[in-house]
Amino acid sequence: GQQVMQIPQYQHVQEGEDFTTYCNSSTTLSNIQWYKQRPGGHPVFLIQLVKSGEVKKQKRLTFQFGEAKKNSSLHITATQTTDVGTYFCAGWRSGGSNYKLTFGKGTLLTVNP
Amino acid sequence: EPEVTQTPSHQVTQMGQEVILRCVPISNHLYFYWYRQILGQKVEFLVSFYNNEISEKSEIFDDQFSVERPDGSNFTLKIRSTKLEDSAMYFCASISYAGTGYTFGSGTRLTVV
Repeated sequence: GQQVMQIPQYQHVQEGEDFTTYCNSSTTLSNIQWYKQRPGGHPVFLIQLVKSGEVKKQKRLTFQFGEAKKNSSLHITATQTTDVGTYFCAGWRSGGSNYKLTFGKGTLLTVNP
Repeated sequence: EPEVTQTPSHQVTQMGQEVILRCVPISNHLYFYWYRQILGQKVEFLVSFYNNEISEKSEIFDDQFSVERPDGSNFTLKIRSTKLEDSAMYFCASISYAGTGYTFGSGTRLTVV
């Protein structure tokens, strides 16, 4: 079945440093979505990328979707303590009909103030 | 902003007992999902539900699991005979149409003792 891999599993940074997490799918995706889960919370939708090579920005967050639509990345510039949490990528496989998302294992980001 | 509501927030049950986890999706949403997350691990797909029937289920979703949408608003997950390994956070999610981000509920933490 479809697998979505995410690295690194953990990342600890000093406040102000940049952070990147990478996502790779075993199959071509229709779209890739990114979610943030604060400690003790539930996943919250951040963004969706649909087009090959697409780049989207949300303030300090930059999201990219690979040309082959099998990989993606999330980059945070100048991290803040409010960025703490687990960032999940999730993909919906091409040809799927029920819009089921397969999640990566997530990257836990901790920020030292 | 509309929310997905889940009850209870925490359920402790003895092994072998039946539990029912409840969810009230956003009213105009059409696609419904149950996911689970064992502590610190990935968000795993259990089942998707559309047009009053299961559209896909995972290997985890065996005969001990069932879902219902009894009254057009509530969406329930039943585990007939709980096992220790069913202990996890269970999330309900919904979307209004294809290709949008999931709205997750705040989850039910199930502890089987």
